[in-house]
Order: sequence, then C-alpha cells, then structure tokens
Amino acid sequence: NAGVTQTPKFRILKIGQSMTLQCTQDMNHNYMYWYRQDPGMGLKLIYYSVGAGITDKGEVPNGYNVSRSTTEDFPLRLELAAPSQTSVYFCASRRGGNTEAFFGQGTRLTVV
Amino acid sequence: GIQVEQSPPDLILQEGANSTLRCNFSDSVNNLQWFHQNPWGQLINLFYIPSGTKQNGRLSATTVATERYSLLYISSSQTTDSGVYFCAVAGGANSKLTFGKGITLSVRP
Repeated sequence: NAGVTQTPKFRILKIGQSMTLQCTQDMNHNYMYWYRQDPGMGLKLIYYSVGAGITDKGEVPNGYNVSRSTTEDFPLRLELAAPSQTSVYFCASRRGGNTEAFFGQGTRLTVV
Repeated sequence: GIQVEQSPPDLILQEGANSTLRCNFSDSVNNLQWFHQNPWGQLINLFYIPSGTKQNGRLSATTVATERYSLLYISSSQTTDSGVYFCAVAGGANSKLTFGKGITLSVRP
C-alpha cells in the first residue's frame, strides 16, 4: 500500500531550468493537492484538482503548471526556475468531501 | 476562504508535562485534521476530526464545530513529541484544504 508517492526526493536546479515534480497515488482519490513549505513556515496551496481533467489555482500558483490526465497522477511543472522557488513541495490526496487527506514525503528543491 | 489560526505559536515543555494546542477557524468545516511534522519534515496524520472527540494513546482531540475551534491535547509529553503541529480545514463546497501556520513544540528531557 504505497499511498502518495513523490519523486524525486531531492533536486538541485539552476536558475532558468525547468523540471517536473511527480506525484502519484494508488488510493483512487479524486482530490489532489500541491503545497509548498518555505523554511519555518506553514503550507501554502499551489494548485489542486478535484478529478481527472479538472485543476484550479491555489494561493501561490505563479511560476507553476499542473495537469491531471489520470486519477492517479498529478505532476507539477516548474518553468524557468527561480531562487524564490527553493522550497519543500508536498503532494496530498483525499477521496473528496468529508474525508481525510494523506501526504507524500515531500520533494526538497533548491534553485541556485 | 477559510482562515485558520493556531495558538500558541511556540510551546516549550518539560518531559512529562501536559499541553493543549488550539485551532480556530473562521467558517463551518466538513474536514479538520491535525498533523505532526517531525524533525525530518514528514507530515504524520494524527486525527481526522471535523467534530466530536477522539483519542489515540497519549493524544486526544476535540472539535466544537458550532464554536469553530479544535483542541489537541498531549499528555505525559515525550521528547519525540517535538516538532510542528498543524491544523488543516476544508469547508462546504470548497475543496481546498487550508493550513494554519503551525505550533512549534519543544519537549525538553
């Protein structure tokens, strides 16, 4: 029972590079989320999805893109990486409605 | 959107002491969770508790939905309880899960 799996766990990017953070869940959850957590801070919502083909912006979407072509996968794309995107990124999922959310282990990204 | 406030922001305890962590929210919710972020950064689910009371060992939680607050109780604290405790909520037709800023707990031996 893998739950929510994020890859990679760590990554160093140079300014201007792009990358995709992968998130997959095997619980058949409808809702999926991407958060970022800056050092010593809480979690801020980047994007979320309530089902395949449906995505919406959260609190801090600038500089990121998402897609949801399947129920299982919710990749987060960073275009033109900037030092301000240095953070820990968490993916989460829940079935929907009145249900519990589960988190992946996070991806620690450094942009230099 | 729903606002979430947690208090106190920081808490220092001696091992064996009890503590109460509070989460206030600004609107009705159908999802409320407490998480523990350990020193390695992992988010551990503690309670899913949109209403009522639950207990799990030394930890218990109570949510009074009509008064828009939730409390997390830690009894006989241990050094392994150290870390950051987050409250997260979602309400009504809004599927967003919003986090509070967290409470940093340090338990001294």
